[in-house]
Amino acid sequence: AQKVTQAQTEISVVEKEDVTLDCVYETRDTTYYLFWYKQPPSGELVFLIRRNSFDEQNEISGRYSWNFQKSTSSFNFTITASQVVDSAVYFCALSEGNTGGFKTIFGAGTRLFVKA
Amino acid sequence: GAGVSQTPSNKVTEKGKYVELRCDPISGHTALYWYRQSLGQGPEFLIYFQGTGAADDSGLPNDRFFAVRPEGSVSTLKIQRTERGDSAVYLCASSLAGLATDNEQFFGPGTRLTVL
Repeated sequence: AQKVTQAQTEISVVEKEDVTLDCVYETRDTTYYLFWYKQPPSGELVFLIRRNSFDEQNEISGRYSWNFQKSTSSFNFTITASQVVDSAVYFCALSEGNTGGFKTIFGAGTRLFVKA
Repeated sequence: GAGVSQTPSNKVTEKGKYVELRCDPISGHTALYWYRQSLGQGPEFLIYFQGTGAADDSGLPNDRFFAVRPEGSVSTLKIQRTERGDSAVYLCASSLAGLATDNEQFFGPGTRLTVL
């Protein structure tokens, strides 16, 4: 069965600190996709990144970076030099690609507070 | 271009009533998803459409919930005999393609349903 665990419920940092959001997933499929979404206070989910199970290369996009490790079933997200605008709830999600559909399972989210 | 839109933005109803929630996906997107998000939780998958057909409805909690997408564009989520536990934000998302591609889902702003 699919499962996504985000063990950190809330994280509070001071602006310019680096912060890592953890994500651990479970799946029996060999083909799957991992996602991170941001949900700011306005409420609308914003796509950040997608990774498929065959691509373990880490990715950097500006201040954001992602570390995908199949050996530990983890897909962690790091924000470097955090800013107040990064304050939001961040969701990790998993969808299995061979099931004939794209049922996507979300973690419970990590609420990030960045203080000025 | 226009994003995913959902109407109404808020719906207050009484226990036992019937409600319809509408989703207008991004033009050209063949895949459409419904999720439910309770306070402090991640989105919970309800149903996924590929075109007009429901490719995966395994997330619908019971037979009071039903969704249609008759022309492969707009979708309506229907809830019969609403219960207080149905209160949540109902999110719709669409993606360009579904099956066997690592698609990005674009989310709408959601409909906040309150059952009194």
